[in-house]
Amino acid sequence: SQTIHQWPATLVQPVGSPLSLECTVEGTSNPNLYWYRQAAGRGLQLLFYSVGIGQISSEVPQNLSASRPQDRQFILSSKKLLLSDSGFYLCAYLGGSNEKLFFGSGTQLSVL
Amino acid sequence: KQEVTQIPAALSVPEGENLVLNCSFTDSAIYNLQWFRQDPGKGLTSLLLIQSSQREQTSGRLNASLDKSSGRSTLYIAASQPGDSATYLCAVRLFGGGSQGNLIFGKGTKLSVKP
Repeated sequence: SQTIHQWPATLVQPVGSPLSLECTVEGTSNPNLYWYRQAAGRGLQLLFYSVGIGQISSEVPQNLSASRPQDRQFILSSKKLLLSDSGFYLCAYLGGSNEKLFFGSGTQLSVL
Repeated sequence: KQEVTQIPAALSVPEGENLVLNCSFTDSAIYNLQWFRQDPGKGLTSLLLIQSSQREQTSGRLNASLDKSSGRSTLYIAASQPGDSATYLCAVRLFGGGSQGNLIFGKGTKLSVKP
């Protein structure tokens, strides 16, 4: 069966520190992968998506970056966090015969 | 440009009531539409997915309909329960590549079911 793992669940980081959030998918190959951010009381904002290894599309200019070193691994990074990077980060993939979108459990990031 | 709108932003109903959540989209050329549920501080859970060729999908007390010509989808919840309290989001998937990775989300309807 297909599953998606995202960690950590919560993270508190000081301004200016680096960030690395990891997402892995099991039970499927060559999935489309997505990173979303959800600020408090706001909708889902697409940050990055990837259709294959090393293929990253960025939707919003920012100090975040994404990488896909392996088929089922998607990493969200930053060299220096800003206060405005605080939010709820969600990883997702398109899978199944009907190409349904599945989400990870999310990472609550607080930048202080 | 495809836009997805969910109205109302919030809804409060007494337990046991049947209710309808709305999702509208501006471009009828969609690949599929998916309804999600999100509990506070949690990820999104897929409820129902309707392909563009389908009119409705059902799962338990939930029924989702799709009318592409009018650019509307509804999520019907029968006999609502306090455990149904959550935010419900719809997402439209487009054909082909391009911006947004083909997926456009509404901002959700926050449902509160009062016991």
